[in-house]
Amino acid sequence: QSALTQEASVSGTVGQKVTLSCTGNSNNIGSYAVGWYQQISHGAPKTVMFGNSLPSGIPDRFSGSKSGTTASLTISGLQPEDEADYFCSTWDYSLSAVVFGGGTKLTVL
Amino acid sequence: QLQLQESGPGLVKPSETLSLTCTVSGGSISSSSYYWGWVRQPPGKGLEWVGSIYYSGSTYYNPSLKSRVTISVDTSKNQFSLKLNSVTAADTAVYYCARLLYSSRSVDYWGQGTLVTVSS
Repeated sequence: QSALTQEASVSGTVGQKVTLSCTGNSNNIGSYAVGWYQQISHGAPKTVMFGNSLPSGIPDRFSGSKSGTTASLTISGLQPEDEADYFCSTWDYSLSAVVFGGGTKLTVL
Repeated sequence: QLQLQESGPGLVKPSETLSLTCTVSGGSISSSSYYWGWVRQPPGKGLEWVGSIYYSGSTYYNPSLKSRVTISVDTSKNQFSLKLNSVTAADTAVYYCARLLYSSRSVDYWGQGTLVTVSS
């Protein structure tokens, strides 16, 4: 069982806004910034957000936020190429470990 | 542009030691702003953090793997390495090397990954 909880699957249509969530506790998400990673067809993950920062080359339709112990990744204006698995991670100071969510499969209808 | 490249055997026998090296180019492994680490993904499953190292040599390991893992750094070669001993079929996975932000240990750069199969 993953330390961070993500939806197993989310779907949306082209152009729609979708939000993926990542829920933890005060030892992890409540205390540290969260990274979000996109994995297309089991290729190497690509970082699409860390904290509130958008990596170079990532479209600005991706945005990140956090409220308490839940982090969110929002994709505004969903595109077919956004279909992928998305994972979140951060540091957990009580475990002294990097923790990952189980991943969300995003389907673009 | 920072690049990370994994290298090492793709097949390891049960009970033996898995050894991988990550070569970093386009940036210095001695930067104080980052950790360097390994993340693995068993076939059909999610991502699992293996461990991380700072350029000074300080390390953090996944508690579930701690007794079998050693991560080391060679700043002169801009490389860091993973050793996982007493492997079983459960250690079969794609192994990614990664750069992690010092503040949150979030990954900002990933290697392309290398599949390591544990089989006799």
